[in-house]
Amino acid sequence: AQRVTQPEKLLSVFKGAPVELKCNYSYSGSPELFWYVQYSRQRLQLLLRHISRESIKGFTADLNKGETSFHLKKPFAQEEDSAMYYCALMTGGTSYGKLTFGQGTILTVHP
Amino acid sequence: GAVVSQHPSWVICKSGTSVKIECRSLDFQATTMFWYRQFPKQSLMLMATSNEGSKATYEQGVEKDKFLINHASLTLSTLTVTSAHPEDSSFYICSARDVWLAGRGSYEQYFGPGTRLTVT
Repeated sequence: AQRVTQPEKLLSVFKGAPVELKCNYSYSGSPELFWYVQYSRQRLQLLLRHISRESIKGFTADLNKGETSFHLKKPFAQEEDSAMYYCALMTGGTSYGKLTFGQGTILTVHP
Repeated sequence: GAVVSQHPSWVICKSGTSVKIECRSLDFQATTMFWYRQFPKQSLMLMATSNEGSKATYEQGVEKDKFLINHASLTLSTLTVTSAHPEDSSFYICSARDVWLAGRGSYEQYFGPGTRLTVT
């Protein structure tokens, strides 16, 4: 069965510092991975997906199939980045599209 | 665009009663919607996949008779928690997939704001 692990429940950094949120997955098929963000009192929203290789709000994530990882990185954290971040794996083939979420990491960026 | 609403945003009910939660896609059509349950500061757990015009697909361990799902139109799915008990208290979130985008290979899910259910 598929599994997504985010080892850090809490992560604190200071403004301007680099930040990396870790995500590891296990899945026998070809993975499609996503990062979702949930700001305080707001709904879950897509941050980025690995297949588009895009950078959103300065965040990037690279899929490493050898290490089965999809870590989220930002070189200079901002206070507005404080939020809950979820790594998610899409399985069942694209025709089905179920998402399995990691446990989430609460990022706090201090001024 | 791609807005999903849920109603109600919060509800308190007595043990033994049933509660219906609505999930609507406001500006797109969704043949597939998903229902999740989220405990405080924890992950989202997929409960079931709601398919327009057919039966929902439930995840292992989710009671079908307890959590009734109906997806009668391309913009509305409902989750009914039957004979609710305090342990059903949780945050229920739905998401929807745009059928037009899915036909073009995009399977992004758009999430609703969630419904807080408290069973007393």
